[in-house]
Amino acid sequence: GQQVMQIPQYQHVQEGEDFTTYCNSSTTLSNIQWYKQRPGGHPVFLIQLVKSGEVKKQKRLTFQFGEAKKNSSLHITATQTTDVGTYFCAGLGTSYDKVIFGPGTSLSVIP
Amino acid sequence: DTGVSQDPRHKITKRGQNVTFRCDPISEHNRLYWYRQTLGQGPEFLTYFQNEAQLEKSRLLSDRFSAERPKGSFSTLEIQRTEQGDSAMYLCASSRRQGEAFFGQGTRLTVV
Repeated sequence: GQQVMQIPQYQHVQEGEDFTTYCNSSTTLSNIQWYKQRPGGHPVFLIQLVKSGEVKKQKRLTFQFGEAKKNSSLHITATQTTDVGTYFCAGLGTSYDKVIFGPGTSLSVIP
Repeated sequence: DTGVSQDPRHKITKRGQNVTFRCDPISEHNRLYWYRQTLGQGPEFLTYFQNEAQLEKSRLLSDRFSAERPKGSFSTLEIQRTEQGDSAMYLCASSRRQGEAFFGQGTRLTVV
């Protein structure tokens, strides 16, 4: 079945440093979604990528979808303490069936 | 509030008891998902519905778990004969067919 992996599992950065998390799917995806979950909260949607090679930006966050539509990345420039949380990628299969989540990357920002 | 709502927010039950959770999705969303999340893990897929049809159920789920979505509106997740390993956060999410998932606040189950 479809599996979604993410690396790293944890990342500790100094405030102002950059951060990147990588996501890989075992199967080709119709789209990839990214979510952020703060401690004690529920996942909150950030963005959806649909096209091969697509790049989208949200302020300091840059999201990329791979050419083969099997991998994705999230890059945060100049991290801030408000960026703390766990970032999940989630893939929707090509038959538009279920959304499968990766295990997440937990980001800690040291002020 | 037009978001996804789940009830109850917390449930403590004794091992062997049955529990039922309810999820009210966003009204125009035809997809409804149930996920389970434990500390430090990502949401684990349990099952999902397209309108009232249950399209897939995770092979990880035992027969003690059952979900329904009568009339394609709210959904219920029932766990029979609960075990301590069932302790987790149970998340419900709804979406349009290809769109982003909107999550509820979750139901935290503790089996003692």
